[in-house]
Amino acid sequence: GDSVTQMEGPVTLSEEAFLTINCTYTATGYPSLFWYVQYPGEGLQLLLKATKADDKGSNKGFEATYRKETTSFHLEKGSVQVSDSAVYFCALHTGGFKTIFGAGTRLFVKA
Amino acid sequence: EAGVAQSPRYKIIEKRQSVAFWCNPISGHATLYWYQQILGQGPKLLIQFQNNGVVDDSQLPKDRFSAERLKGVDSTLKIQPAKLEDSAVYLCASSLETASTDTQYFGPGTRLTVL
Repeated sequence: GDSVTQMEGPVTLSEEAFLTINCTYTATGYPSLFWYVQYPGEGLQLLLKATKADDKGSNKGFEATYRKETTSFHLEKGSVQVSDSAVYFCALHTGGFKTIFGAGTRLFVKA
Repeated sequence: EAGVAQSPRYKIIEKRQSVAFWCNPISGHATLYWYQQILGQGPKLLIQFQNNGVVDDSQLPKDRFSAERLKGVDSTLKIQPAKLEDSAVYLCASSLETASTDTQYFGPGTRLTVL
């Protein structure tokens, strides 16, 4: 069946470090891929998305590229800030009404 | 634009009791979702409505969970009777339509503790 696998956390980085959070998926058809973020004390919100192969989603300095050949959608940021500390969820949505989330990766950024 | 509203924010009940959660989606959003998020896990879709019709409830434990969306706007999710393993955050989300490209907008969630 369809699934999303994220790297386990927590991930702890110093401010200005490079961030990668790996996400791979299994899906039939052509899903759209999303990264959602949950800041402390807040609800889930969209960070970025990509709706077809080779699309790059970007927002707030974060980027992710939809790689069909490797079934991946890794999240990257060149220089993290303390305010990026949050839980990040990779998710896929299919045209068959399926929405599947990964388990989430908690990021801590130290000043 | 007002976001997705949920109530209550917190609920503590004894096992075998009943509980209901309410959700008001963003105005004009046709699709409404209920998720269960157990601590340390990602959200799991329980049920999805398109207007007031169910389009997917394959992961809803129908022996104890029920949901409705009267008039295609507000929705309620009920658990009757509750079990210890139902302790979780229940999230409501809405989107414009059901297309795979649609962004889902989430409410703050209801944290349920079953003792």
